[in-house]
Amino acid sequence: DGGITQSPKYLFRKEGQNVTLSCEQNLNHDAMYWYRQDPGQGLRLIYYSQIVNDFQKGDIAEGYSVSREKKESFPLTVTSAQKNPTAFYLCATTRGGANTDTQYFGPGTRLTVL
Amino acid sequence: EDQVTQSPEALRLQEGESSSLNCSYTVSGLRGLFWYRQDPGKGPEFLFTLYSAGEEKEKERLKATLTKKESFLHITAPKPEDSATYLCAVQANTGRRALTFGSGTRLQVQP
Repeated sequence: DGGITQSPKYLFRKEGQNVTLSCEQNLNHDAMYWYRQDPGQGLRLIYYSQIVNDFQKGDIAEGYSVSREKKESFPLTVTSAQKNPTAFYLCATTRGGANTDTQYFGPGTRLTVL
Repeated sequence: EDQVTQSPEALRLQEGESSSLNCSYTVSGLRGLFWYRQDPGKGPEFLFTLYSAGEEKEKERLKATLTKKESFLHITAPKPEDSATYLCAVQANTGRRALTFGSGTRLQVQP
């Protein structure tokens, strides 16, 4: 069964804790992305990676960190430095192509700070 | 800075009542414009990509069109199962291939 998996579906964090969100894909896509979605707002880019062992900051990277050690995996760590982490987090991948890069999304992780 | 504005924020239709959703954009060289459907608590589902002004794409009751400044998602004779949030996004013709999203239009179709 091919696709993008994110885990966990729901995550609760206490103040001062770091938490890691998982994103795995078996689509053999090169590029992977992390977005954050707040109620009534569009998706905002946190980090992206176009190849293994390389990643770039997006528009709202402060308080987050990532790694890309394997093509299939792009975990996101939400650190205690992130002031308002409660949100819906979405991972996406890109197949790549001649004209443009359609992004396909995982099911998301909802993070709540207690 | 790339920007995407969607209108209306919310739309309520009766089943069978056709309408259009608007996506206005500014981008430094358009590489592609994307439409997604998102159900509550789920990830966006890809619908269409449009590349150049004048292009149109259709899928069941949905038809997307593109001009140099905006895109429309036309919904013909909608059904209750078309109820969702519809997201528009643009990709610029730069090295960074991430998308810039609008805030979406929440569509509710009543039987």
